[in-house]
Amino acid sequence: EAGVVQSPRYKIIEKKQPVAFWCNPISGHNTLYWYRQNLGQGPELLIRYENEEAVDDSQLPKDRFSAERLKGVDSTLKIQPAELGDSAVYLCASSLDLSSTEAFFGQGTRLTVV
Amino acid sequence: KQEVTQIPAALSVPEGENLVLNCSFTDSAIYNLQWFRQDPGKGLTSLLLIQSSQREQTSGRLNASLDKSSGRSTLYIAASQPGDSATYLCAVTHEKLTFGTGTRLTIIP
Repeated sequence: EAGVVQSPRYKIIEKKQPVAFWCNPISGHNTLYWYRQNLGQGPELLIRYENEEAVDDSQLPKDRFSAERLKGVDSTLKIQPAELGDSAVYLCASSLDLSSTEAFFGQGTRLTVV
Repeated sequence: KQEVTQIPAALSVPEGENLVLNCSFTDSAIYNLQWFRQDPGKGLTSLLLIQSSQREQTSGRLNASLDKSSGRSTLYIAASQPGDSATYLCAVTHEKLTFGTGTRLTIIP
């Protein structure tokens, strides 16, 4: 069974440019997360989906970040415009549901803003 | 607000030794606790999941314990190997996964 798939693996962009990340969760997983991980830190939640509904986006900087999960399957995270401080690893994870099941992570997208 | 702490931040041990990594959390209202491994430049690999009603889980040379009332978990690694070198992260789940900052483990051949 395929795991959580993310693309691209690496992205280098100039500041003020837009960028998008894509995530395909494990089939049948209702819960999808986007996390951001800065160097030497643990991942921090950006947004959580239950099916197609964003149920926790309190940590998402909505002035420049947006996300969608059409049809409750794959998801896209967008940044427009990117800032130097957005350089980080963006991780996608999925689980069957929130309450008691194991979460699985993708390989992440390493974003460098120059 | 849930806070997760991992001590030590870094640990180096000779190959073959047993070791313990620590994780503490401030809010005991959790669904479960998960231990992950992260290799440099990679995503997170799930190692063990302990439900809130459980006390421990074992997988091969790994054993994780959970004391929810005191807000503590430990990850025990037996007979360490150089391939165990990585950063180990714990995360507690309630409305989301909340992570510690990790312990960077180096096994010295």
